[in-house]
Amino acid sequence: AQSVTQPDIHITVSEGASLELRCNYSYGATPYLFWYVQSPGQGLQLLLKYFSGDTLVQGIKGFEAEFKRSQSSFNLRKPSVHWSDAAEYFCAVRANQAGTALIFGKGTTLSVSS
Amino acid sequence: NAGVTQTPKFQVLKTGQSMTLQCAQDMNHEYMSWYRQDPGMGLRLIHYSVGAGITDQGEVPNGYNVSRSTTEDFPLRLLSAAPSQTSVYFCASTMQGPGELFFGEGSRLTVL
Repeated sequence: AQSVTQPDIHITVSEGASLELRCNYSYGATPYLFWYVQSPGQGLQLLLKYFSGDTLVQGIKGFEAEFKRSQSSFNLRKPSVHWSDAAEYFCAVRANQAGTALIFGKGTTLSVSS
Repeated sequence: NAGVTQTPKFQVLKTGQSMTLQCAQDMNHEYMSWYRQDPGMGLRLIHYSVGAGITDQGEVPNGYNVSRSTTEDFPLRLLSAAPSQTSVYFCASTMQGPGELFFGEGSRLTVL
């Protein structure tokens, strides 16, 4: 069955430092992968998505992610973190072949220290 | 465009009561889905629909019913609420798979 694992529950990064959030997935066919961000009390905003093609995907707010099929990973990165990036981040994979719904990881909470 | 609209935003129920969380979208999206979000658990898929009259179960369907009589609406019903159903519920829609899901703002449900 399809699943998503985010190994890090909570990460603290200094403002201006680089960030990498890990995501591992399990999916039998070609995975369609997503990263969403949720600020406290808010809904979910799509950061980026991967369907096919270039394995390095650019998203909004300066985020990027790299798809590595051999490692079943889709890690999210940002070269320089801003205090406003503090939020909860969710990795997700399509729930079925049609991609009509998603399976989410449990999330990683990012704190940014000054 | 309103996008995905969920009502109510907040609700308190007593154990055993029933209620319906409403979800409506005005983007003519075929696919809609319901998730629940609990601390440390991420979002878990409850039910989804690929079009009017067609629904299917997700990861955690027990205790919830859905129907899809129109393209626009996808209500989630709790027939007999339990404290374990205390959660934040999100509805989402997408034009076709695979694509970006558009989420509602969430409905916070407390079952006493």
